[in-house]
Amino acid sequence: GAVVSQHPSWVICKSGTSVKIECRSLDFQATTMFWYRQFPKQSLMLMATSNEGSKATYEQGVEKDKFLINHASLTLSTLTVTSAHPEDSSFYICSATHLDSSSYNEQFFGPGTRLTVL
Amino acid sequence: GDSVTQMEGPVTLSEEAFLTINCTYTATGYPSLFWYVQYPGEGLQLLLKATKADDKGSNKGFEATYRKETTSFHLEKGSVQVSDSAVYFCALRRRQGGSEKLVFGKGTKLTVNP
Repeated sequence: GAVVSQHPSWVICKSGTSVKIECRSLDFQATTMFWYRQFPKQSLMLMATSNEGSKATYEQGVEKDKFLINHASLTLSTLTVTSAHPEDSSFYICSATHLDSSSYNEQFFGPGTRLTVL
Repeated sequence: GDSVTQMEGPVTLSEEAFLTINCTYTATGYPSLFWYVQYPGEGLQLLLKATKADDKGSNKGFEATYRKETTSFHLEKGSVQVSDSAVYFCALRRRQGGSEKLVFGKGTKLTVNP
């Protein structure tokens, strides 16, 4: 149980276009979903935290108008990279916490999406 | 701010060798500490955790002890297997603005050869 999927697993797009990445909790309802970004040989950096039905909370330095997050249901969150540029190329990872979690609130991670902007 | 530093890889070992991956942290208060593992093509999975000083987390033969005095949480395994080949991430959990957030180290890639 507690499986999180991401789609697509990789995407290549032209500079200036927008790309949408989906994150789904397959067998549980997620109260909270997190979006991370990972550069090569770097740690995962939290971009934003989203709760179903409310606006996402962005980390300092993350452009909310560039990285649009929608958490429309308890099983789906989307990250849209708007007007993508080569510097947005990265590995994007989502995670989710259970609706009925214990006090620990373990995060379950998706496999990630590799974005390459030409 | 809070941070996690773990040894840089890659680490290459022969099967049945002893493994240590060092991890130290900087944080205010007493965070919970975690080790995550990422197998090729898969998402991060929680390997083990410790929530207070002197706690020992263990799973699948891996162990790590929360050392407050040295602010460390080193990962160890007595005898690695080829199937342990993966990237290992040390992390701490902190509270911020009413929510809990994970802060990760850079990850250490482990390759175990038969």
